[in-house]
Amino acid sequence: QKEVEQNSGPLSVPEGAIASLNCTYSDRGSQSFFWYRQYSGKSPELIMSIYSNGDKEDGRFTAQLNKASQYVSLLIRDSQPSDSATYLCAVNKAGGGNKLTFGTGTQLKVEL
Amino acid sequence: GAVVSQHPSRVICKSGTSVKIECRSLDFQATTMFWYRQFPKQSLMLMATSNEGSKATYEQGVEKDKFLINHASLTLSTLTVTSAHPEDSSFYICSADLAPIYEQYFGPGTRLTVT
Repeated sequence: QKEVEQNSGPLSVPEGAIASLNCTYSDRGSQSFFWYRQYSGKSPELIMSIYSNGDKEDGRFTAQLNKASQYVSLLIRDSQPSDSATYLCAVNKAGGGNKLTFGTGTQLKVEL
Repeated sequence: GAVVSQHPSRVICKSGTSVKIECRSLDFQATTMFWYRQFPKQSLMLMATSNEGSKATYEQGVEKDKFLINHASLTLSTLTVTSAHPEDSSFYICSADLAPIYEQYFGPGTRLTVT
């Protein structure tokens, strides 16, 4: 089992729809969770961080964390073509210091 | 927000030469910086963790004598690829840690091509 698992996609959604990106992690002691967006040929950009169970909203983005199910998700409302990118889930594992463990990413395509 | 710069953005060098990449945190002090490598269509691979004033911690399989890391100040870390070979061609990205919340902010990356 991978430490941080994401569906590689591509996930295709029409413009204006909600995109739902999912991530599961194996280390039950993980405390900090992050979503990064990476455009092709560019470096990752932090878009959301979440530390406690529940939802956290920032503009069109909502991160959801369920530690009991070891599951973190990212919802993007009113998806735009500019949201087309690879979304990386990252987890700070217990005992890992300040290292992050990244998933392989989900490619999102928002179609006109 | 936290800004990290990286220089150069692109470098082409000949096989056998060394290349130095600089990573700077511009508006915050970073006790810890990280160096990643990413091959085309693959995920990020952590190479090493760099703490200011101490030796870097390398991930398994990363040659510390080939990838020299120096973190001399709270805002600057450097990665030197020594005796580069074509297989070292990759996208090298640094990040700086915004303690104590473990948010990592990435530099724009350096695309290294070894001919």
